[in-house]
Amino acid sequence: DAKTTQPTSMDCAEGRAANLPCNHSTISGNEYVYWYRQIHSQGPQYIIHGLKNNETNEMASLIITEDRKSSTLILPHATLRDTAVYYCIVRSLRDNYGQNFVFGPGTRLSVLP
Amino acid sequence: GAGVSQSPSNKVTEKGKDVELRCDPISGHTALYWYRQSLGQGLEFLIYFQGNSAPDKSGLPSDRFSAERTGGSVSTLTIQRTQQEDSAVYLCASSLRSVQETQYFGPGTRLLVL
Repeated sequence: DAKTTQPTSMDCAEGRAANLPCNHSTISGNEYVYWYRQIHSQGPQYIIHGLKNNETNEMASLIITEDRKSSTLILPHATLRDTAVYYCIVRSLRDNYGQNFVFGPGTRLSVLP
Repeated sequence: GAGVSQSPSNKVTEKGKDVELRCDPISGHTALYWYRQSLGQGLEFLIYFQGNSAPDKSGLPSDRFSAERTGGSVSTLTIQRTQQEDSAVYLCASSLRSVQETQYFGPGTRLLVL
């Protein structure tokens, strides 16, 4: 069972910031929040991950609430190429098996011209 | 640098035939994973190799599925006596050492069993 809930779909105007929310109310202290995206017909692409501090890289920013029960992925200037399904995943790094990598249905982001 | 590569990108086969899918992980990555994704579904874990340890095969759906990793690099996923329900995109990923790190995915092999 996925440990996260995300909206099914979102639209964003090209050039504007895309803010993708994720709820993970049952997250435990040793679990990280990861974001991946999957562009049609391609494999998943890693975007960013974090534990409790906000993180930023060349692709996106990750804002995690203080209670860690939710987070927001921010694409600061969305382009048409950012149209994809975005997956929020909660993972424990203590577990030594690959099975903890569980994708839910994700959010289908459509960037509109 | 080069990412994870997979071949073939597409494979069409007849029910009952065997297929082999290949994965080349990122150079230096010792952990390798196989997943499959059916149309409109999430990822389903199949198998995980980490260094020289025995692989975690707990996700393989039946004994028709097997995988090996020779020389700690390239991996081959074999499906024997393919069935129509095996049709899916088979994705390979690698990470530097273990599940404790970010997994980088390949483009996948789209398998269609007729």
